[in-house]
Amino acid sequence: DAGVIQSPRHEVTEMGQEVTLRCKPISGHDYLFWYRQTMMRGLELLIYFNNNVPIDDSGMPEDRFSAKMPNASFSTLKIQPSEPRDSAVYFCASSFSRGRTDTQYFGPGTRLTVL
Amino acid sequence: GESVGLHLPTLSVQEGDNSIINCAYSNSASDYFIWYKQESGKGPQFIIDIRSNMDKRQGQRVTVLLNKTVKHLSLQIAATQPGDSAVYFCAENGGGSQGNLIFGKGTKLSVKP
Repeated sequence: DAGVIQSPRHEVTEMGQEVTLRCKPISGHDYLFWYRQTMMRGLELLIYFNNNVPIDDSGMPEDRFSAKMPNASFSTLKIQPSEPRDSAVYFCASSFSRGRTDTQYFGPGTRLTVL
Repeated sequence: GESVGLHLPTLSVQEGDNSIINCAYSNSASDYFIWYKQESGKGPQFIIDIRSNMDKRQGQRVTVLLNKTVKHLSLQIAATQPGDSAVYFCAENGGGSQGNLIFGKGTKLSVKP
């Protein structure tokens, strides 16, 4: 298995631009998580899905952030408009809920820089 | 002014020594715990897990100990190697059935050759 796939790996954009981050979870996993990691705040959960349905989006910073999961193999995290304070590494993770095993498997991350 | 970053606890050990990384978890209802390793520039990687019906579990060179009485988790790494240098996170499931994890702040392990 290729593991969780994220794209792009690096994104540099200017303030005000729209940014879309993409994630392909591990095949068969029914949970998908989006995290943000910064030096200031550490690892923060933004939103997670179960069977493509958003379960908890309380970690989404504000309305500029949105996430979708149109099918079991694809999710996007969009920031519109982007701001310099959104600069961070964004991780996607997935897990399989059967047997109460909550192990999450992380992708390599997308390093976002907003100028 | 300068921004203040997250100050991670740091553990510095000599190559070949054993390392012990500690974690205090928050939710007494948690019944599943995981240790992750994050190397620079990479995502967190699963190392080892343990359920609350156990107090010890061993893997290859790693051992996790769970003390539910004081809500304490530890990761022991035997014969620490330079490749073990990373940030280590503990995570707990909060006891719920929602599938999400609660992550600790992390501990940075530095291995001196």
